[in-house]
Amino acid sequence: DIQMTQSPSSLSASVGDRVTITCRASQSISSYLNWYQQKPGKAPKLLIYAASSLQSGVPSRFSGSGSGTDFTLTISSLQPEDFATYYCQQSYSTFTFGQGTRLEIK
Amino acid sequence: QITLKESGPTLVKPTQTLTLTCTFSGFSLSTSGVGVGWIRQPPGKALEWLALIYWDDDKRYSPSLKSRLTITKDTSKNQVVLTMTNMDPVDTATYYCAHEVIDEYGGHFDYWGQGTLVTVSS
Repeated sequence: DIQMTQSPSSLSASVGDRVTITCRASQSISSYLNWYQQKPGKAPKLLIYAASSLQSGVPSRFSGSGSGTDFTLTISSLQPEDFATYYCQQSYSTFTFGQGTRLEIK
Repeated sequence: QITLKESGPTLVKPTQTLTLTCTFSGFSLSTSGVGVGWIRQPPGKALEWLALIYWDDDKRYSPSLKSRLTITKDTSKNQVVLTMTNMDPVDTATYYCAHEVIDEYGGHFDYWGQGTLVTVSS
């Protein structure tokens, strides 16, 4: 099984900050990597697919990069609505989610 | 407009079999490149992918749960059914179904149902 490890597990930041979340795969997965945002009590929302493709309707302040085993999700300027939990997910071999990164208001 | 909705029991007893139905609209599961998957989330914990069925009836399962899971589709009813045997309290979770699109790098879940909370308790 491919394991996905996110860091940090939680993060405090302020509105306007630039934030980066990292996801590492236990083996190379090329660009088979997606990012989701989840708010409390809601279903996850797709942000980025294929490592760097922005899902339709998602603000351009979200971006993804990486290939192989190391990936990042960057929010260029945090907005109040961005405080949520973020998950990476590999689609190279079935599917595996990371453990999540909780983004909190500082 | 794609929508999905999960339905099934909210409470099951240990050792029982759980049957969940995902009823969807806005797409057909006979269209090439489309799948429907199930993902669960225990309270306060991370997402866990369970199973997926493709338009061509190809099926994939989580290796750790494969022996307990069965996924089927009824294209005429726009439904996907997941069964999970031998339920245990650790299976208490919100269960989501989601629309999957195959892309050049596997696939991604672009539409999700609202989720249904299933509690396992005697």
